[in-house]
Amino acid sequence: EPEVTQTPSHQVTQMGQEVILRCVPISNHLYFYWYRQILGQKVEFLVSFYNNEISEKSEIFDDQFSVERPDGSNFTLKIRSTKLEDSAMYFCASSVGQGKETQYFGPGTRLLVL
Amino acid sequence: DQQVKQNSPSLSVQEGRISILNCDYTNSMFDYFLWYKKYPAEGPTFLISISSIKDKNEDGRFTVFLNKSAKHLSLHIVPSQPGDSAVYFCAASGVGGTSYGKLTFGQGTILTVHP
Repeated sequence: EPEVTQTPSHQVTQMGQEVILRCVPISNHLYFYWYRQILGQKVEFLVSFYNNEISEKSEIFDDQFSVERPDGSNFTLKIRSTKLEDSAMYFCASSVGQGKETQYFGPGTRLLVL
Repeated sequence: DQQVKQNSPSLSVQEGRISILNCDYTNSMFDYFLWYKKYPAEGPTFLISISSIKDKNEDGRFTVFLNKSAKHLSLHIVPSQPGDSAVYFCAASGVGGTSYGKLTFGQGTILTVHP
């Protein structure tokens, strides 16, 4: 069964450093998402992406964040200058369509900012 | 953001009995609801969904009920098995406005099924 994959599974970085989290969505899916879960908190929406453009973003997704689909398979989340509060589990998801469509999640990347 | 709430942080059930997980929402624009199951250090796994035009959807041991007037949904697992022990998240999305295309999650309920 097709699944969303994410790399790395764990990332430790120093505050102020740039990190890139990578995702390979399910191949026939057209919509891509990033969510995060800070320890002990809810899963929170960050951004949705379709047709090489951001279609929606949350207030969390400020200028420090960017997303890109650099090729036909990868979908990346870049944090330019990490802060301590960026430490969280980051989940990539994809769906065939939007609206009443199921989003399928990857296993996540645990980011720790020191 | 309390648009989706799961008021029970945990639920303990005996194997073979019914597990009922509850979820309430406040945003009337939500029209699609999903339940995900999550194990530690893994991503949410899709279980079952329901559109707002229905009041029930069933898939094997899992049934989701939607009460639109009460803005309430529930997930029933019958019979419960020890492998069902996990965190269960309710999520919602809607058409139009700011909820279109994004999922809003509840806090999760930890289900423990005892042998």
